Amino acid sequence: QVHLVQSGAEVKNPGASVKVSCKASGYISSSYTVHWVRQAPGQRLEWMGWINPASGNTRYSQRFQDRVTLSRDTSATTAYMELSSLRSEDTAVYYCAKEKAGLWTFDIWGQGTMVTVSS
Amino acid sequence: DIQMTQSPSTLSASVGDRVTITCRASQSISVWLAWYQQKPGKAPNLLIYKASSLESGVPSRFSGSGSGTEFTLTISSLQPDDFATYYCQQYNTYPWTFGQGTKVEIK
Repeated sequence: QVHLVQSGAEVKNPGASVKVSCKASGYISSSYTVHWVRQAPGQRLEWMGWINPASGNTRYSQRFQDRVTLSRDTSATTAYMELSSLRSEDTAVYYCAKEKAGLWTFDIWGQGTMVTVSS
Repeated sequence: DIQMTQSPSTLSASVGDRVTITCRASQSISVWLAWYQQKPGKAPNLLIYKASSLESGVPSRFSGSGSGTEFTLTISSLQPDDFATYYCQQYNTYPWTFGQGTKVEIK
C-alpha cells in the first residue's frame, strides 16, 4: 500500500528554521514528483513547491522562493522541506503529496505536520 | 497568480440531495483543474482531475465538468460520508492555487 509518512509536530521560535521529512513506501519513490502544500488554521491550501526525487530538481512558489529548500536523501525515499526565517504566519499544517503520474495533481498525501511558530 | 473562487462557501444539504459546487478561475486554465475532499484533521483526498476525470476508487456519484474559467463539482446523491470541505485546484500556471473551500454541512 502506498504511504507517505511525515515527521512529528514542531514548535519553533520566530526567526528559526524547521525541517519536515516525508518518507515514501509502497511505490517506486524515485519515479514520482513530491509536492509540499501547507494549510494555515482555517485557511485554504497553499502550494509551496516540488522536488523530483530522481534528479533532485526543484521548483518553488515565488512566495516562498527565498525561504524554502526542498531536498531528498540519496535513496530518494525520503523528501525534506526546510523553511527558514519563521514567523507567526507560518504556523500551519505542512503536507507532502505524491504527484499523480505527471498530471500535477496530488493522489497520495502525508498525514501532515503541524508547525507552530510562537515565542 | 491565478485566483480561484468557489461558491458557495458553505452549503447545507440533506442526505440524498443533489449538490453542485462552482469554482471560477481568474483566467483561463483550460481543463487543468482538480477537486479534493477534506475532512477535519485529515489530509485532502483527490476526487477529480483534468476537470472531469474520476480518480480511481472515488464513488461515481461524484462528477466534474467545465473548462476555461468555470467548473463544477456535482454530487448526485449526497451520502453521510460526503459531509466535508471541498477544494478546487488549478494546475495550468505556476504557482498552483486552490479555492477557499466549500463546506458541505448537514441540513
